[in-house]
Amino acid sequence: QKEVEQDPGPLSVPEGAIVSLNCTYSNSAFQYFMWYRQYSRKGPELLMYTYSSGNKEDGRFTAQVDKSSKYISLFIRDSQPSDSATYLCAMIESGGYQKVTFGTGTKLQVIP
Amino acid sequence: DAGITQSPRYKITETGRQVTLMCHQTWSHSYMFWYRQDLGHGLRLIYYSAAADITDKGEVPDGYVVSRSKTENFPLTLESATRSQTSVYFCASRPGLAGGEQYFGPGTRLTVT
Repeated sequence: QKEVEQDPGPLSVPEGAIVSLNCTYSNSAFQYFMWYRQYSRKGPELLMYTYSSGNKEDGRFTAQVDKSSKYISLFIRDSQPSDSATYLCAMIESGGYQKVTFGTGTKLQVIP
Repeated sequence: DAGITQSPRYKITETGRQVTLMCHQTWSHSYMFWYRQDLGHGLRLIYYSAAADITDKGEVPDGYVVSRSKTENFPLTLESATRSQTSVYFCASRPGLAGGEQYFGPGTRLTVT
């Protein structure tokens, strides 16, 4: 069983929809949680970064962490065609050299 | 240009050949990483480096060699390429251990025939 599970999609939504992307994990030592966006044939770029449980908002993006359920979410409001990409969740344990464990990514397509 | 660059962007090589992928960052970040990205596996860590002359293995190091003589460069060498090493390779850097802000290069798409 993988430490981080992420539905690969693809997820297709109409422009303007609210998108919900999710990851579950099994390692209770994960303390730092991130979301990366990866356009086709590009490197991942950091979108959101949160520590421990709670919500974080940045423009149209909201990241949620529920450590009790081992579940993280990324919400995209008013989705745009430019949001079409693969979204990777990533997590880091406290301590150690802070190896980043990535989900396999969810492919999102926003249809105009 | 500022940031993290990789070269070449695309490479086709034959089984058994030695190949070196280059990574260069202009931020003077201490930590640098090499990942490979494969369908169904996501990003997997090959090697990482905490500083010049300090490197360590990641999740999938077999068949790869790294060096870091200068802070800004972190080349990855495939000593004798195999078809299973066909992948997209990403270099990344991070300023320190604290926090998770890790920045990725554009990737090198390697095909081993």
